[in-house]
Amino acid sequence: DIQMTQSPASLSASLGETVTIECRASEDIYNGLAWYQQKPGKSPQLLIYNANSLHTGVPSRFSGSGSGTQYSLKINSLQSEDVASYFCQQYYDYPWTFGGGTKLELK
Amino acid sequence: EVQLVESGGGLVQPGASLKLSCVASGFTFSDYWMSWVRQTPGKTMEWIGDIKYDGSYTNYAPSLKNRFTISRDNAKSTLYLQMSNVRSEDTATYYCTRDSTGTLGHWGQGVMVTVSS
Repeated sequence: DIQMTQSPASLSASLGETVTIECRASEDIYNGLAWYQQKPGKSPQLLIYNANSLHTGVPSRFSGSGSGTQYSLKINSLQSEDVASYFCQQYYDYPWTFGGGTKLELK
Repeated sequence: EVQLVESGGGLVQPGASLKLSCVASGFTFSDYWMSWVRQTPGKTMEWIGDIKYDGSYTNYAPSLKNRFTISRDNAKSTLYLQMSNVRSEDTATYYCTRDSTGTLGHWGQGVMVTVSS
């Protein structure tokens, strides 16, 4: 299985700040990576797919980048509604696997 | 609007079996692969498996393959997860998702399964 290591596990940031979350795969996943946002008590929602493609309706302050084994999710100008947990997921090879998640809180 | 509604969860004893259902609406169910994903109380996400749009092929997480079975009834727009010989570590919230080549674009609200005696 491809292991996904996500960091940091938790993050505290101020409104308006730029936040970056990292995900490292145990092998090259050739941009087969998605990012999800999960607000407290809610189901996850797709933000980014193919490492850098914004899902329909997702605000442009979210962006994804990376290649090979290293990927990141950036949130520009943090808003209060961005308080959530974020997960990466690889779908380059079965079984699909997730990172451990990052819990984002407001400072 | 895409809707996925899971049901069938609850408290179950270790060693028992349980079948979860997911009714889909708002899209042509038979056009899509579907996946099940679970999230433990500690928030760890685990992909369980998926099923081809016509039900002819399935993939599973190796650790679950011997106990979990995914099926579908396209006439009823319903996805199923049959769980057997459940263990305490199967305690989780189970999500039905619409799968587009691995990208999970739509999720149900989730259904909780608690395995305890």
